[in-house]
Amino acid sequence: GESVGLHLPTLSVQEGDNSIINCAYSNSASDYFIWYKQESGKGPQFIIDIRSNMDKRQGQRVTVLLNKTVKHLSLQIAATQPGDSAVYFCAENMAGTASKLTFGTGTRLQVTL
Amino acid sequence: EAQVTQNPRYLITVTGKKLTVTCSQNMNHEYMSWYRQDPGLGLRQIYYSMNVEVTDKGDVPEGYKVSRKEKRNFPLILESPSPNQTSLYFCASSKYDPGLAGETYEQYFGPGTRLTVT
Repeated sequence: GESVGLHLPTLSVQEGDNSIINCAYSNSASDYFIWYKQESGKGPQFIIDIRSNMDKRQGQRVTVLLNKTVKHLSLQIAATQPGDSAVYFCAENMAGTASKLTFGTGTRLQVTL
Repeated sequence: EAQVTQNPRYLITVTGKKLTVTCSQNMNHEYMSWYRQDPGLGLRQIYYSMNVEVTDKGDVPEGYKVSRKEKRNFPLILESPSPNQTSLYFCASSKYDPGLAGETYEQYFGPGTRLTVT
C-alpha cells in the first residue's frame, strides 16, 4: 500500500483495549472538526465530526472530545479491533470558509493481537 | 454506489509535460476539493470549488489549475509539472448541509492518484 506517513507518531494498542488519539489544532477561530481514518492504499474516510458548541460527541464505538480552551481534540475508540489499524487525521474548519479543511499530520494506530 | 472516482490512479511523467487528473462524483455534491498528501505533511488543500464555475485557492495552489464546468467533474491540471509536484493526490466531494446546529461538510474522498514527475 501507499506509504503516506513514514515518520508519523504511532500508537500501539492491544486488541480489545480502548484507544485515545490526540490532536492539537492551530486556529482558535475554527468551529468545526472532523476525524478521518485512512487505511493503506485508500483515501481518508469520515469517522465523526463535532462543532465547537459541543465538547463531546459519540458515534458507534467512537467518541470525540473537544477542549477549546487548550485547542485539543481527541478520538476515543472503544474495544479496538484489528480493522481499526490505520492512520487517523483530525481536520479543522473555520466558519464561513465552506469546505476549506486544514488537516493534521496524522497518527498511526497499530492494533496488536 | 456513491463514490468519487479519479483517473489515472498512477502516473509517471516528465518535467514540463502537461497533464490532467480527472475527478468525478455521482452524489450531486456542491463542494469539491483537491488535496496532495506528502509524508510528514498530512493532506494539504490545493483548490476547492463551492459549485459550478466557483473555485478558490487552498493552501498550496501554485503550479495547479482547476475548472468546474459541470457539477460532477473537477479536473486538476498541471500545465508544466515539476519534480516537487510528485505526490499522492486526492479528490474529495461534500454535500453542503446547513444543519440545525450549523454547517457540516462530510467529505468523501477518491482512491488517490500517485503522480511521479521525473
